[in-house]
Amino acid sequence: DSGVTQTPKHLITATGQRVTLRCSPRSGDLSVYWYQQSLDQGLQFLIQYYNGEERAKGNILERFSAQQFPDLHSELNLSSLELGDSALYFCASSGTGANVLTFGAGSRLTVL
Amino acid sequence: QKEVEQDPGPLSVPEGAIVSLNCTYSNSAFQYFMWYRQYSRKGPELLMYTYSSGNKEDGRFTAQVDKSSKYISLFIRDSQPSDSATYLCAMARSGGSYIPTFGRGTSLIVHP
Repeated sequence: DSGVTQTPKHLITATGQRVTLRCSPRSGDLSVYWYQQSLDQGLQFLIQYYNGEERAKGNILERFSAQQFPDLHSELNLSSLELGDSALYFCASSGTGANVLTFGAGSRLTVL
Repeated sequence: QKEVEQDPGPLSVPEGAIVSLNCTYSNSAFQYFMWYRQYSRKGPELLMYTYSSGNKEDGRFTAQVDKSSKYISLFIRDSQPSDSATYLCAMARSGGSYIPTFGRGTSLIVHP
């Protein structure tokens, strides 16, 4: 157990729907990162939050949004889902100024 | 051209072999170099972490960084079936938000 908790583990939904993925970072870590992993693209950085504020943005689609709450847990919202959004979504956390990430087990999203 | 290139494999070796995994990169600003191991249906876990050029050894694992050639390697000695996993290289700049950029990962299979 890495200490980073992600829910749900698996999610199956239909095109056009909206889902929310949840992440609780490792105790004491202030930074949360979201990554998307697909077979053809590998691990792609989506967005980073630090202590509640957006810190960096990567290849995140406009249909996707995220936030980090005062208790430091984070949610990734995916809307108007398309077949191509099917992927593994990983949350990772890190301590202050660190670039060593601790990953959760991931949420597998299948869009039918 | 992607910033980080990594052959996806698969690489199949017999138990006890020395394994060499490699990545090349194009961004000379990368200063931090990491190797993550990802077992099937799990999140990536940090294996090795190095700063700038040089070698680092940890048990059966050795990481090498050659910044002049923009080339990093991970060597696994006396490989075991339990080493079968996907190995992802990752790199980050100094300064800024340290977001690691990942390679696509190399699938390694160690057969008994």
